[in-house]
Amino acid sequence: EVQLVESGGGLVQPGGSLRLSCVASGFTFSSYSMNWLRQAPGKALEWVSFITSSSSSIYYADSVKGRFTISRDNAKNSLYLQMNSLRDDDTAVYYCAKKGVVAAAGNYIDYWGQGTLVTVSS
Amino acid sequence: ENVLTQSPGTLSLSPGQRATLSCRASQSVSSSYLAWYQQKPGQAPRLLIYAASSRATGIPDRFSGSGSGTDFTLTISRLEPEDFAVYFCQQCGSSPWTFGQGTKVEIK
Repeated sequence: EVQLVESGGGLVQPGGSLRLSCVASGFTFSSYSMNWLRQAPGKALEWVSFITSSSSSIYYADSVKGRFTISRDNAKNSLYLQMNSLRDDDTAVYYCAKKGVVAAAGNYIDYWGQGTLVTVSS
Repeated sequence: ENVLTQSPGTLSLSPGQRATLSCRASQSVSSSYLAWYQQKPGQAPRLLIYAASSRATGIPDRFSGSGSGTDFTLTISRLEPEDFAVYFCQQCGSSPWTFGQGTKVEIK
């Protein structure tokens, strides 16, 4: 059974930093690209960042570029999101998510973690 | 950025009725690169459809997807009580991968 378990969320002041972690199990983590997505309260889903299996390609949404850094440790089956210079509008539930297995279908998400809440507030 | 617009915002229907949800893209999307998700309150989204019309593992056949170009549709043939939820479409083709704002299917 595929499991993605996020941790690291919490309350942080504007301008602060936070590091999210996601531990994966139930599949060969090193073979799959991964994503971080987020959802502000009552809002739509927003893709945040993507990393290929070998970390050779990385993409960011414009809203987080230059502030967030995605990384992974395949030996630890873990995905990370370092978030710096946090702003009020970064408040959201952050999801770790696995890219789907059908390569020809693009970057769709076949498994999601339960999410971790990040609240940016003074 | 490819903006996805979903309609209607809310769909009020009764169990057993047919639901038709629309997703319109501002730029053409290859039909291989359109996905649909279901989300219930307090839960993570769940994949329903990928490549516009392929059902994900374990998804009942009352859910079907169709469309091409800029217009895509998710159809639920007969609503079951567990189908009342919010549905999102996503273009999966190129970064930034974007989502629609969602359609809420509520019990009438």
